[in-house]
Amino acid sequence: DQQVKQNSPSLSVQEGRISILNCDYTNSMFDYFLWYKKYPAEGPTFLISISSIKDKNEDGRFTVFLNKSAKHLSLHIVPSQPGDSAVYFCAASGPYAGNMLTFGGGTRLMVKP
Amino acid sequence: DAGITQSPRHKVTETGTPVTLRCHQTENHRYMYWYRQDPGHGLRLIHYSYGVKDTDKGEVSDGYSVSRSKTEDFLLTLESATSSQTSVYFCAISAPKWGRDTEAFFGQGTRLTVV
Repeated sequence: DQQVKQNSPSLSVQEGRISILNCDYTNSMFDYFLWYKKYPAEGPTFLISISSIKDKNEDGRFTVFLNKSAKHLSLHIVPSQPGDSAVYFCAASGPYAGNMLTFGGGTRLMVKP
Repeated sequence: DAGITQSPRHKVTETGTPVTLRCHQTENHRYMYWYRQDPGHGLRLIHYSYGVKDTDKGEVSDGYSVSRSKTEDFLLTLESATSSQTSVYFCAISAPKWGRDTEAFFGQGTRLTVV
C-alpha cells in the first residue's frame, strides 16, 4: 500500500498562472517532506522541503504547504514558466535509520506558453 | 551538482544473466541508496547503505544484492536478471545533519533493459 500518493498523474497550466501539485500521505510517523523535480533522462533534483513543525515554506516562486491533520501537502508554483514543465515527485521521511525517502508516483506538469 | 556518477548509463542484458550497476560519489557522504523508477510507482527503494559494509534492504529488495567496500562506491547486483527488473535505476546520496532530515542527491540514472 502506497504511503505517499500523488493522485493527479498530470496537470496542465498556462504560463504565468499558478500550478498546484498535491500529495497525500498515510504514515503519521513522517515528519519531513520534500519535492523533487525530474526532467527526462535526468536524475531527480531537490526543489524544496518542509519540516512537520512548520506549515509553510517558501523559496522564490515555490511554496510548500503542509496540513498535518489532513496528512496533505501541496506545492505552489507562481508564476508558472514553460521551463517548469517536468515530473514532480513528493517524498517523505521519518525517524528511521537510514534517512530513507518514500516517494509518491509523480505528477507531470505541463506549462503552456 | 553533487558528485555522483552512475555506470553504465544504458544496458541491455538477457534474462538469467548477472548484472552489476555502479554508483560512485566524490562527496564523502555517509548514506547511499539505490532506487528504481517505474511508471505509476515513482521511485522505490531497493537497498541502502549507512556506511562501509553496512547495508540494509528497502521496499523492493528481492532479486537484488548490494555491496559497499569503500565510502565512495555502492554496487547493485542483479544475480539473475528478469524482465520485471527492466527499469531506470537511480543512485542517491545524503549526509544527514544532526542525524537526519536532509535532501538526497541523485545520479543521472541507468536504464536497464532485460530481454
